Amino acid sequence: NAGVTQTPKFQVLKTGQSMTLQCAQDMNHEYMSWYRQDPGMGLRLIHYSVGAGITDQGEVPNGYNVSRSTTEDFPLRLLSAAPSQTSVYFCASSSSGGALFFGSGTQLSVL
Amino acid sequence: GEDVEQSLFLSVREGDSSVINCTYTDSSSTYLYWYKQEPGAGLQLLTYIFSNMDMKQDQRLTVLLNKKDKHLSLRIADTQTGDSAIYFCAGRSGGYQKVTFGTGTKLQVIP
Repeated sequence: NAGVTQTPKFQVLKTGQSMTLQCAQDMNHEYMSWYRQDPGMGLRLIHYSVGAGITDQGEVPNGYNVSRSTTEDFPLRLLSAAPSQTSVYFCASSSSGGALFFGSGTQLSVL
Repeated sequence: GEDVEQSLFLSVREGDSSVINCTYTDSSSTYLYWYKQEPGAGLQLLTYIFSNMDMKQDQRLTVLLNKKDKHLSLRIADTQTGDSAIYFCAGRSGGYQKVTFGTGTKLQVIP
């Protein structure tokens, strides 16, 4: 049972480049979300989804897009990377009423 | 929205007890969680407590909840070097997608 799988583990981008962070879960969870982790700031919610075809913004959505075409996958797209998006990104999923399960993270550097 | 606050750092000697504290603002929080993050890894659920409970014990871990003061604590008995990590407090309210994390407490265990 893989749980929540994120790829890639590390990524370096130049300012203005775009990319997609992948997230997949095999637990049939309805809820999926993306967080970013910055030193001294804990985890901040970027976007979340409560089911296929449904997404909503979290606390810090600017510069990011998401889609949820299947229950299993929830990719996060950076449209035009900026140095302020240098961070560690975590994908998480849960069932209704359950705790969040996290992926191992993607460390992103934007130069 | 909810605010969750934690102290940033705690240092203890191996074999002593560790107590990590957390305060939250939303009295309607239904679930309160403790997560552990080891270096380079995602967040791992340690334990959780329902808002209608005062205490929960799980092996070396004891969670205390003071609803009146909106205070949550995690006590680790007989702290070991393997307990060195960042510990996050999180609260869920307003539906299962609304999970707010604290800034994390870095626990250093001195041999």
